Amino acid sequence: AQSVTQLDSHVSVSEGTPVLLRCNYSSSYSPSLFWYVQHPNKGLQLLLKYTSAATLVKGINGFEAEFKKSETSFHLTKPSAHMSDAAEYFCVVSDYGGSYIPTFGRGTSLIVHP
Amino acid sequence: DAGITQSPRHKVTETGTPVTLRCHQTENHRYMYWYRQDPGHGLRLIHYSYGVKDTDKGEVSDGYSVSRSKTEDFLLTLESATSSQTSVYFCAIGTSGDSTDTQYFGPGTRLTVL
Repeated sequence: AQSVTQLDSHVSVSEGTPVLLRCNYSSSYSPSLFWYVQHPNKGLQLLLKYTSAATLVKGINGFEAEFKKSETSFHLTKPSAHMSDAAEYFCVVSDYGGSYIPTFGRGTSLIVHP
Repeated sequence: DAGITQSPRHKVTETGTPVTLRCHQTENHRYMYWYRQDPGHGLRLIHYSYGVKDTDKGEVSDGYSVSRSKTEDFLLTLESATSSQTSVYFCAIGTSGDSTDTQYFGPGTRLTVL
């Protein structure tokens, strides 16, 4: 069985300060992990994904995430927030549980203040 | 833009009426998915398809049916719409259907059931 927990429903930062969006997962197999971003009134877009290669994954727009098996975490970070980063972010886990159907977290809303 | 369109983009209907949402892809990918997005729930899988005429249920399939008669089209039908089906519906496509598969999302359909 697989599950994912996004630890914060909302994160508020000032422009130019670091971003940390937290995600913990549970998986019975070797999981793949994803972060997707959703801007207002848009569909979801892949930011980055981990698929058992390098544990530090770099994505688009300066985001990166580190897979930590011992902590079952896959937190998303960015050194310096930009106003355009304001969006909803989803952490997703996928492993073989009879089928490869991904499980989405409930989302974290990132608010960026000028 | 992964060549995915959804129609209609917005629809208001009344309780008890049938509704069909269409997802169309130009990528010729085998895997297609229907999700609903509700505040506080993230994305939840309704049904998915792994080929023409091959479909299976997801987490929240009650009250929904699907059909896929062509690779490029995946239809979601609400046989008798209820107010609890007011939601934003997203279609997604996948290339491999395995745990590493990136999903590409359509722009969404906002459905309101009065």
